[in-house]
Amino acid sequence: KAGVTQTPRYLIKTRGQQVTLSCSPISGHRSVSWYQQTPGQGLQFLFEYFSETQRNKGNFPGRFSGRQFSNSRSEMNVSTLELGDSALYLCASSLGGAGPAYEQYFGPGTRLTVT
Amino acid sequence: KQEVTQIPAALSVPEGENLVLNCSFTDSAIYNLQWFRQDPGKGLTSLLLIQSSQREQTSGRLNASLDKSSGRSTLYIAASQPGDSATYLCAVCGGNMLTFGGGTRLMVKP
Repeated sequence: KAGVTQTPRYLIKTRGQQVTLSCSPISGHRSVSWYQQTPGQGLQFLFEYFSETQRNKGNFPGRFSGRQFSNSRSEMNVSTLELGDSALYLCASSLGGAGPAYEQYFGPGTRLTVT
Repeated sequence: KQEVTQIPAALSVPEGENLVLNCSFTDSAIYNLQWFRQDPGKGLTSLLLIQSSQREQTSGRLNASLDKSSGRSTLYIAASQPGDSATYLCAVCGGNMLTFGGGTRLMVKP
């Protein structure tokens, strides 16, 4: 079974631009979560989608947004990029659902550098 | 608000030693706790998942315990090897999100 895939793996953008990152979950997984990892703040939760609905959102400004498609693939968008948005963005997938919390499986991440 | 702390932040040991990594959390209302490994510049690899109703989980040389009432978990690594060198992260699940600790950077010297 293929793991979680993220594209692109590396991105360089300039301040003020916008960026879209993509995540394909493990086949059969319906929940996709996004995390930001920086040396100063560590790993922080951005948002989680299940069946195309955002179920939970972390404490990030509105410049960070996301969506999930009917095939469970997810995208996140960051508008008006700032230098502080430079980070490793990680996507995780799980079975999701209304039962107990399931194990999360992470992708390799997208390294975003804002200059 | 859940807060997760990992001690120590860094650890350097000679090959063959048994070692313990610690994780503490402030809110005991969790669904599960996961331990991850992260190699430099890479994603996270899940090592062990402990459901809130469980006390411990084992996989090979790894053993993780969970004491919900005291808000603690430990990851025990037996007979450490240079290939175990990585950052180890614990994360608690409260609902549909994970809250991570700051990690323990482990170096196992040959």
